[in-house]
Amino acid sequence: DGGITQSPKYLFRKEGQNVTLSCEQNLNHDAMYWYRQDPGQGLRLIYYSQIVNDFQKGDIAEGYSVSREKKESFPLTVTSAQKNPTAFYLCASSVQGEYGYTFGSGTRLTVV
Amino acid sequence: GIQVEQSPPDLILQEGANSTLRCNFSDSVNNLQWFHQNPWGQLINLFYIPSGTKQNGRLSATTVATERYSLLYISSSQTTDSGVYFCANSGAGSYQLTFGKGTKLSVIP
Repeated sequence: DGGITQSPKYLFRKEGQNVTLSCEQNLNHDAMYWYRQDPGQGLRLIYYSQIVNDFQKGDIAEGYSVSREKKESFPLTVTSAQKNPTAFYLCASSVQGEYGYTFGSGTRLTVV
Repeated sequence: GIQVEQSPPDLILQEGANSTLRCNFSDSVNNLQWFHQNPWGQLINLFYIPSGTKQNGRLSATTVATERYSLLYISSSQTTDSGVYFCANSGAGSYQLTFGKGTKLSVIP
């Protein structure tokens, strides 16, 4: 079955560490997105990519970095520069030119 | 930027009741979508509805683009309908969605 796989489901990070969240899709979608969700809040866009080797900042990109070396993969690195990284992170993909999003099941990141 | 406002923020229903959720937009309606987030965090796309009316089982949605709002109807609610309902829209020519803060629905037996 096609879909989006995010890993790990739960991640704990010490202050000052960088961590990388994985997002893999086998839907052959061109576009991929990373969103952050805080408790009781909507989703906020971190980064998006419409094509391999190209990506753009979203509304809250500071303290995050991404890469898009393969169509299937769009990893997100939460760097030590992100001062409040504890949140639920969601990856999504869509077909270029179409607008229905498919979401992964998310990664819960906690700073300890 | 685009503003997306949802109401009500919280809703408690008895099983079998009907409900209407509303979404207002500050900008033109472009790629309006409704999502359901279950208690475990999984987001499911319910409707892509930039205009008109669509129905899927007990759920239906209507978007009035000229008045910049959309409505999600849930009929004969079930406990499995519980969760958070989000609407989202994008700017003209953009694929990136801006989400509202959601409506948290609790359906009690």
